[in-house]
Amino acid sequence: EPEVTQTPSHQVTQMGQEVILRCVPISNHLYFYWYRQILGQKVEFLVSFYNNEISEKSEIFDDQFSVERPDGSNFTLKIRSTKLEDSAMYFCASEAGLAGYEYFGPGTRLTVT
Amino acid sequence: GQQLNQSPQSMFIQEGEDVSMNCTSSSIFNTWLWYKQDPGEGPVLLIALYKAGELTSNGRLTAQFGITRKDSFLNISASIPSDVGIYFCAGLLPGANNLFFGTGTRLTVIP
Repeated sequence: EPEVTQTPSHQVTQMGQEVILRCVPISNHLYFYWYRQILGQKVEFLVSFYNNEISEKSEIFDDQFSVERPDGSNFTLKIRSTKLEDSAMYFCASEAGLAGYEYFGPGTRLTVT
Repeated sequence: GQQLNQSPQSMFIQEGEDVSMNCTSSSIFNTWLWYKQDPGEGPVLLIALYKAGELTSNGRLTAQFGITRKDSFLNISASIPSDVGIYFCAGLLPGANNLFFGTGTRLTVIP
């Protein structure tokens, strides 16, 4: 069964450093998402991406964040200057259509020290 | 942001027992979804509901989309040890394409 993949599984970085989290969505999907989950809390929406542009973003997704689909398969989340409070699991999700049927990747655990 | 409240927050049950959990919101949703999350992994979709009043089953799981469109419940029958995990409800608002997640119900099944 096709699945969303994410790399790396765990990233440790120092405060102020830039990180890029990578995702390969399911190949025929058109809608892409990033969510985050702070340890022990609920999953929170960050951004959605369709047709090579951001379609929606939350208040969490400030100027430090950016997303890109550099080629036909990868979907990346960049955090320009990480803060301690950016430590969380980051999940990529993809969807074929707008039915709410989002498939999630296994996540990248980001630890900012 | 939207607040989806799940109850109970956690449950400890004996293997073989049935489980019921629910999710409520002050907002109306077009779609309700139930996800299960195992430790260190991403949420896995269990059931999707698209119409008010809809009752859908997936094996031992049954979920319903509330008539008011502001709530949903999930039942698990005859629980087994691999049902352990955190169950999240998620909703899709009218006109939106991102999910709002509930606060989660942590299920522990005692063999």
